[in-house]
Amino acid sequence: DAGVIQSPRHEVTEMGQEVTLRCKPISGHDYLFWYRQTMMRGLELLIYFNNNVPIDDSGMPEDRFSAKMPNASFSTLKIQPSEPRDSAVYFCASSLLALYNEQFFGPGTRLTVL
Amino acid sequence: AQSVTQPDIHITVSEGASLELRCNYSYGATPYLFWYVQSPGQGLQLLLKYFSGDTLVQGIKGFEAEFKRSQSSFNLRKPSVHWSDAAEYFCAVVEGAGSYQLTFGKGTKLSVIP
Repeated sequence: DAGVIQSPRHEVTEMGQEVTLRCKPISGHDYLFWYRQTMMRGLELLIYFNNNVPIDDSGMPEDRFSAKMPNASFSTLKIQPSEPRDSAVYFCASSLLALYNEQFFGPGTRLTVL
Repeated sequence: AQSVTQPDIHITVSEGASLELRCNYSYGATPYLFWYVQSPGQGLQLLLKYFSGDTLVQGIKGFEAEFKRSQSSFNLRKPSVHWSDAAEYFCAVVEGAGSYQLTFGKGTKLSVIP
């Protein structure tokens, strides 16, 4: 398996623009997680899905952030409108129930909002 | 809510020297504990995990960690560090079975002197 795939790897955009980050989890995994990593706050869980259903989105910072998982092999994290303080590395991770919480991380998307 | 403390932000060791990275957690019961490593520009990779049983767990790349309930600690060790071990290390905790929310420490950056 290719592991968790994220695209793009780098994104530079201007304030106010819409940003869409994409994630393909490992085939067969039933949990998908979105994290944000910043120097100030470290790694924060934004939202996670189980069998394509959002379970907990309490980590989503505000309404400008939204996440979807239309099928088992694809998820998006959207920021609209983007702000400079959204600049961070966004990670997607997936796991399988039977693996006792072991999460497999993608390489991340480095987002810069100017 | 549980929390994870990694008291050392940055550690520098000489190649071949031993290493111990500290991790303390706050949680009433026995949590599920993890150590992840993040190389520059990469996602997180699981080094090892503890759920129950033997309190000394072995991981990949020659790392081990010991769970000490009395000290609420899960320190990571390696007897002889290699230059390729230079990376950032994250301790993480899940609040036991049925929870899928990883809480990460702020990380410890390891530098290795040749």
